Amino acid sequence: NAGVTQTPKFQVLKTGQSMTLQCAQDMNHEYMSWYRQDPGMGLRLIHYSVGAGITDQGEVPNGYNVSRSTTEDFPLRLLSAAPSQTSVYFCAASAFFGQGTRLTVV
Amino acid sequence: DQQVKQNSPSLSVQEGRISILNCDYTNSMFDYFLWYKKYPAEGPTFLISISSIKDKNEDGRFTVFLNKSAKHLSLHIVPSQPGDSAVYFCAASGGSQGNLIFGKGTKLSVKP
Repeated sequence: NAGVTQTPKFQVLKTGQSMTLQCAQDMNHEYMSWYRQDPGMGLRLIHYSVGAGITDQGEVPNGYNVSRSTTEDFPLRLLSAAPSQTSVYFCAASAFFGQGTRLTVV
Repeated sequence: DQQVKQNSPSLSVQEGRISILNCDYTNSMFDYFLWYKKYPAEGPTFLISISSIKDKNEDGRFTVFLNKSAKHLSLHIVPSQPGDSAVYFCAASGGSQGNLIFGKGTKLSVKP
């Protein structure tokens, strides 16, 4: 029973590169979300989706795009990576989180 | 402005004793509260939740208390075990969208 699966687990990007963090769930939850965790900051909401075809911005959406073409998948795109986006990224389906992606932008 | 506050960054407790983790919130629209446990290099793990229509919820060694008038909730762990050592996050949500607002976390250390 996979739950919420995030790939990759680790990634190093150069400033200006783009990439997509993948998130997939097998629990059929309508609500999915992306958070970032930075030291001393807790988890902050980037984007969320209440169902296929519907997305909205959270607290810190700048520099990120999302799409929700299916219930199962909710990818997070970094358009042009910046060092300020160095963080650990967590995807959630309802209240259940994936294992995270540790991203470093150099 | 923080809507969910965990004012103690850390807490140290002896094995077998009670651990009490506290959380305060400011938004009176919050109607659902959750506690998560997080180990290093892992995702947050859902522990226990409480709806605003209740003031207490128990699950094994974990009990969450909600005081709506004080906008305060607490997580009690009894008895504490060394495996409980982790960072604990309080989260709150309200309204139809279900967005979770997190506190900054409290690092619990349970000493043998």
